[in-house]
Amino acid sequence: GQQVMQIPQYQHVQEGEDFTTYCNSSTTLSNIQWYKQRPGGHPVFLIQLVKSGEVKKQKRLTFQFGEAKKNSSLHITATQTTDVGTYFCAGKRGNNRLAFGKGNQVVVIP
Amino acid sequence: EAQVTQNPRYLITVTGKKLTVTCSQNMNHEYMSWYRQDPGLGLRQIYYSMNVEVTDKGDVPEGYKVSRKEKRNFPLILESPSPNQTSLYFCASKAGQGTEAFFGQGTRLTVV
Repeated sequence: GQQVMQIPQYQHVQEGEDFTTYCNSSTTLSNIQWYKQRPGGHPVFLIQLVKSGEVKKQKRLTFQFGEAKKNSSLHITATQTTDVGTYFCAGKRGNNRLAFGKGNQVVVIP
Repeated sequence: EAQVTQNPRYLITVTGKKLTVTCSQNMNHEYMSWYRQDPGLGLRQIYYSMNVEVTDKGDVPEGYKVSRKEKRNFPLILESPSPNQTSLYFCASKAGQGTEAFFGQGTRLTVV
């Protein structure tokens, strides 16, 4: 079945610096979604990308969908302590299912 | 307020004692699913339901049952829990194709 791979699995980021997390699929995705889970919390939807090469911004977060629709990235600038958590990407599977990556756990160092 | 509600939030039980984790959503969503989250393994789908009386296995269905008798409710049943089912469980619902998933607060289950 379709698998979505995320790299890296863990990141330690200095407060104020930028970081990127990546999501790769072995097959073409019709869309990709990103979620954030705060420590002790539940996954919360951030954004959905649909078009090839699409770029969307949410304040300090920039989401990109690759031209081939097989990869995606999330770039965060000027990291804040509130950015701590695990970031998941998810691609659509058959029967309206979502295939989640294993997540990128981000620790912010003050 | 649109939400997915799971109960209980925390549960410690013994091996073999049947339990049910409830999930209810107030958004009239057709699609509901259950995930378990384990360290290093991400979110793995247990079962999903595309509508009332329509359910199907996800990636890790062994040891679990579900039912969807009403649109708003999607309980997860462990007939004979075992220690390897100790995990954090999330229920989620979504309206349809290409829409965002709304997650419940999670249920942390420990089976001893």
